[in-house]
Amino acid sequence: GENVEQHPSTLSVQEGDSAVIKCTYSDSASNYFPWYKQELGKRPQLIIDIRSNVGEKKDQRIAVTLNKTAKHFSLHITETQPEDSAVYFCAASKGNDMRFGAGTRLTVKP
Amino acid sequence: ETGVTQTPRHLVMGMTNKKSLKCEQHLGHNAMYWYKQSAKKPLELMFVYSLEERVENNSVPSRFSPECPNSSHLFLHLHTLQPEDSALYLCASSQEGTYNSPLHFGNGTRLTVT
Repeated sequence: GENVEQHPSTLSVQEGDSAVIKCTYSDSASNYFPWYKQELGKRPQLIIDIRSNVGEKKDQRIAVTLNKTAKHFSLHITETQPEDSAVYFCAASKGNDMRFGAGTRLTVKP
Repeated sequence: ETGVTQTPRHLVMGMTNKKSLKCEQHLGHNAMYWYKQSAKKPLELMFVYSLEERVENNSVPSRFSPECPNSSHLFLHLHTLQPEDSALYLCASSQEGTYNSPLHFGNGTRLTVT
């Protein structure tokens, strides 16, 4: 089955700096890659997603890149703010089988 | 309002108890999921129901028994659980179609097995 690896497990940045989280996946048939943000005590919420026919997608301060050949994808957050502090999960999906990475705890220091 | 409602929010049960977790989605989706979230581990896919038919069962122990009576409701029946089953259980829904779609999660049930 699909195996998703996510790095780093924790990330601390200064407010205004950029943050990058990287994920790799094992199943070349995976074709959908969402990213979720989970604040403490809350449910995971979708922040951005990318499909396998696209290499990059951007939404304001958030961008995701996908390298299908290397089977890795990354989340980029620019101009980080304290409210970006949360746990971020990447996922890889084919059909209705969605597998998640272990998460990255991002702390943005004011 | 999340669109996916889970009850109860918290549950404490002994190893010999029987309890059920409930999930209801108001988004008109046709697929529902149970995930287990433990500390410092990836979200673990437990069960998937598509159009009320179970399509995935990831070798989950038989002490967990899902039920999907219709496309809006999903249950997880629990019996003779172990302390290591303590976790946050998340329900999610999605709209299956030609293209993959994101999962919409509920707020979860925090389960503690004593």
